[in-house]
Amino acid sequence: DAGVIQSPRHEVTEMGQEVTLRCKPISGHNSLFWYRQTMMRGLELLIYFNNNVPIDDSGMPEDRFSAKMPNASFSTLKIQPSEPRDSAVYFCASIPSGRAWTGELFFGEGSRLTVL
Amino acid sequence: GENVEQHPSTLSVQEGDSAVIKCTYSDSASNYFPWYKQELGKRPQLIIDIRSNVGEKKDQRIAVTLNKTAKHFSLHITETQPEDSAVYFCAASRGTGNQFYFGTGTSLTVIP
Repeated sequence: DAGVIQSPRHEVTEMGQEVTLRCKPISGHNSLFWYRQTMMRGLELLIYFNNNVPIDDSGMPEDRFSAKMPNASFSTLKIQPSEPRDSAVYFCASIPSGRAWTGELFFGEGSRLTVL
Repeated sequence: GENVEQHPSTLSVQEGDSAVIKCTYSDSASNYFPWYKQELGKRPQLIIDIRSNVGEKKDQRIAVTLNKTAKHFSLHITETQPEDSAVYFCAASRGTGNQFYFGTGTSLTVIP
């Protein structure tokens, strides 16, 4: 398995532009998480999905952020409009359900976003 | 929701010495406590974990202890090596189907 796949790996954009980050979880995993990592705040949970349904989006910082999971193999995190304080590394992670879960949270390589 | 606190934020040790990182959690329903290591520019990766029915777990040079009553758990690295230098994150979770809450990380530097 290729693991959790995120794209783009790096994005540089200007303030006000729309940013879309993409994630493909490991096949068969039915829980997907989006995290934001900064030096000041560490790994913050933004939102997570179970079986494509958003369960907890209380970590989404504001209305400029939205996330979707239209099917079991794809999720997007969108920021519109982007601001310099959104600059961070965004990680997607997935786990399988029930007995298949060994405990490990499988992270993608991350998407490094820089908003100028 | 859960609140995980981690200390210290930075830690420097001499090669061969031990390193200890401590975390506390607030949600008594949390029952799974993993530790992740993140090398510079890479993704976090699981190094060891402990479940609430166990008080201690060891894997070679690393060990984790859990005190459910006090709601704290710790990572112990013995005989540290330069390749142990990384950022370490603790986390707490209620298990599958639930979210993972991470501490703010500890940057460990092992001085040769």
